[in-house]
Amino acid sequence: AQSVTQPDIHITVSEGASLELRCNYSYGATPYLFWYVQSPGQGLQLLLKYFSGDTLVQGIKGFEAEFKRSQSSFNLRKPSVHWSDAAEYFCAVVRDAGNMLTFGGGTRLMVKP
Amino acid sequence: GAVVSQHPSRVICKSGTSVKIECRSLDFQATTMFWYRQFPKQSLMLMATSNEGSKATYEQGVEKDKFLINHASLTLSTLTVTSAHPEDSSFYICSAPEARFYGYTFGSGTRLTVV
Repeated sequence: AQSVTQPDIHITVSEGASLELRCNYSYGATPYLFWYVQSPGQGLQLLLKYFSGDTLVQGIKGFEAEFKRSQSSFNLRKPSVHWSDAAEYFCAVVRDAGNMLTFGGGTRLMVKP
Repeated sequence: GAVVSQHPSRVICKSGTSVKIECRSLDFQATTMFWYRQFPKQSLMLMATSNEGSKATYEQGVEKDKFLINHASLTLSTLTVTSAHPEDSSFYICSAPEARFYGYTFGSGTRLTVV
């Protein structure tokens, strides 16, 4: 069965600092990969996704993620964090298009002024 | 883009009553709807998958008689929490695969509080 691991439960960064959120997946083939952000009490917003092609994916709000097949990773990055980026971030994978997403445990990002 | 409208956003009910949560796909046909549950500070866990015109598929450990799912049309899927108890208090989110699989569209979630 596929699984997703986000090793960092909490991360605190200073505003303006760079950010990297880790995501590792366990699956024999390359799945479809997603990053979502969730503000408290809100639904999920898609930041970016990887299906195939260029392994560096650009998303909204200045986020990007890099797919590394050899490491089974899909880490999310942002060069300069803004206070409004404080939220919960979820990595998710799906094996086949249209099937259910499997979510990682989430990483809570806090931003210091 | 594709939109899934989820209602209500918040509901408080008494123990023993039932609550219905609706998810409507506004500009596409959702033949499949995934229902997730999220406890505070935790990730989303799939409860069940509904397919239009057929019975829902429930994940292990989810009581199908307690969480009734109906997907009677291509634009509406409902989750009814029957005989609700305080331990059913949670955040429920629906999600549908988008047409041509550009990804998934999520509802905005329903915060259920059972008192």
